[in-house]
Amino acid sequence: KQEVTQIPAALSVPEGENLVLNCSFTDSAIYNLQWFRQDPGKGLTSLLLIQSSQREQTSGRLNASLDKSSGRSTLYIAASQPGDSATYLCAGGGDAGGTSYGKLTFGQGTILTVHP
Amino acid sequence: NAGVMQNPRHLVRRRGQEARLRCSPMKGHSHVYWYRQLPEEGLKFMVYLQKENIIDESGMPKERFSAEFPKEGPSILRIQQVVRGDSAAYFCASSGSNQPQHFGDGTRLSIL
Repeated sequence: KQEVTQIPAALSVPEGENLVLNCSFTDSAIYNLQWFRQDPGKGLTSLLLIQSSQREQTSGRLNASLDKSSGRSTLYIAASQPGDSATYLCAGGGDAGGTSYGKLTFGQGTILTVHP
Repeated sequence: NAGVMQNPRHLVRRRGQEARLRCSPMKGHSHVYWYRQLPEEGLKFMVYLQKENIIDESGMPKERFSAEFPKEGPSILRIQQVVRGDSAAYFCASSGSNQPQHFGDGTRLSIL
């Protein structure tokens, strides 16, 4: 059974700092690893998706890495801004018989606050 | 291209009533997933459906909960005889084959 853990639970940083969010998972037979952002009262916005065969993905100021052997993924945010304040979730994707990504197993999330 | 649409956004029910939550997937998506987010907890998988078929319901409570995704129309998550512990945010996601999941804004269910 896949279990996903995120550290830290909360993080507060001044604007402009580079920061790293950590995610660990127990089952290395992961199909993919996805990072999401959730704003209060809102749904989830997909940030980055890393396939099991990939090591990292980049989008703008965001970079996510995946190390299946150690069961870890990190999300790096460069030059943080107050608008980055949100809850960040990582989720491991299973394999539903190869026909789709199947269900996602989520971590508890990291609450990020970037203050001006 | 509209995203995943969930309605209602907020639903209030009294204990013992039925709750019906609707999810219209993105155009072209034939895979639907339901997740539940209890207060102070993370999102938990409930059920995964394709058109007219339940593929994985390993996260569904054994009683009172059911889900369907008919050939025509939205996917429905149905909760019978609701209890206070059913209060949560229920999220729907959809995807194409071998594609990432896209999430709706959720339905906030409150039980009085």
